[in-house]
Amino acid sequence: EAGVAQSPRYKIIEKRQSVAFWCNPISGHATLYWYQQILGQGPKLLIQFQNNGVVDDSQLPKDRFSAERLKGVDSTLKIQPAKLEDSAVYLCASSPGDGGAEAFFGQGTRLTVV
Amino acid sequence: AQTVTQSQPEMSVQEAETVTLSCTYDTSESNYYLFWYKQPPSRQMILVIRQEAYKQQNATENRFSVNFQKAAKSFSLKISDSQLGDTAMYFCAFSRGTSYGKLTFGQGTILTVHP
Repeated sequence: EAGVAQSPRYKIIEKRQSVAFWCNPISGHATLYWYQQILGQGPKLLIQFQNNGVVDDSQLPKDRFSAERLKGVDSTLKIQPAKLEDSAVYLCASSPGDGGAEAFFGQGTRLTVV
Repeated sequence: AQTVTQSQPEMSVQEAETVTLSCTYDTSESNYYLFWYKQPPSRQMILVIRQEAYKQQNATENRFSVNFQKAAKSFSLKISDSQLGDTAMYFCAFSRGTSYGKLTFGQGTILTVHP
């Protein structure tokens, strides 16, 4: 079974530029999560999708971050404009969607904003 | 809101020995789950072990076991017969009873296993 795929693995941009990350969850997984992991800290949930609907985006900085999950499969997370403090690893995870299922993580995208 | 605290930024252990990583949490929920995740340099989070709060018996997975003290809100991870491949960042995490993937993580503990 293929795991959660994320791209790119690394990205370096200048502040005020825009950037997008892509996530392809495990086939059939209804729930998708985006986490932000700043260096030296634990991941923090940014947004949770159930199929193509947003369940929780309370910690998403909506003035600069946006995310979508068209057709309930792939998802993209965008930052525009980026700030220095957005430098982090962005992790995508998916789960089958029922309450008792494990979430599987991708390898993340390391973003450096200079 | 719930919080998860790991008070050991770094730990080290000799190969084949036993090490315990500490975690405390705070929540008003009655139905919840606790997890230990391993994050090697590849960055991919790997589930090590999970504990359902309603179960009194401590979870075990091969060399990994937990000491779950519900009243004290403590959830420690014991790694027996440590191996070089256990070297990684370890995160304690909490989820409400409705979704395993909606996790609150601790700050992490870097574990180094020395030969």
